[in-house]
Amino acid sequence: QAQLQQWGAGLLKPSETLSLTCAVYGGSFSGYYWSWIRQPPGKGLEWIGEINRAESTNYNPSLKSRVTISVDTSKNQFSLNLSSMTAADTAVYYCARKLTGDVGSFDDWGQGTLVTVSS
Amino acid sequence: DIQMTQSPFTVSASVGDRVTIACRANESVSQWLAWYQQKPGKAPNLLIYKASSLKRGVPSRFSGSGSGTEFTLTISSLQPDDFATYYCQQYHSYSYTFGQGTKLEIK
Repeated sequence: QAQLQQWGAGLLKPSETLSLTCAVYGGSFSGYYWSWIRQPPGKGLEWIGEINRAESTNYNPSLKSRVTISVDTSKNQFSLNLSSMTAADTAVYYCARKLTGDVGSFDDWGQGTLVTVSS
Repeated sequence: DIQMTQSPFTVSASVGDRVTIACRANESVSQWLAWYQQKPGKAPNLLIYKASSLKRGVPSRFSGSGSGTEFTLTISSLQPDDFATYYCQQYHSYSYTFGQGTKLEIK
């Protein structure tokens, strides 16, 4: 089982860009897609996008124009950039890894980062 | 996107009760459905994948069933630790989508 530890700025102003990074400890970095998922306060979960070691990405169409997910294989890390932030982007952001042997369920999660957008 | 709808929004039950939560997709997701438990301030915890496969280490009182567009999560005998919010998630097609959640409360 992998341990995911994430970090990044928690308070942003409107129009700024969110940057979060997730480091993976233990387990294999290869052979997986690595995802970002968010959850507005008191609401449900929204998948943002994913990347693999080869930098192949898939994004949620509703966020695609503002999202960039990148990977640093030398450090077993992946990152999320979300531009043009607004109050509607206020949420807890999680990094996650899929269950070994399954194609889309999420087994390992980071601790979550609360990101607040406020002027 | 595939829309996932859970029912009920809230369920009140007692320790020892049998509880069923439903999840409906607006188009077929085959067997590609997962269930999660989430407690306040914590990340979701995977319970069931591929509609009915129990993740290793999850108590056997949890079970999942269904295929296509209709799915259920059943907790056979509620334990105090089970009071939480439950989410379904489809992964038949991008982008992955979640239900709105069902809050399981103590009666």
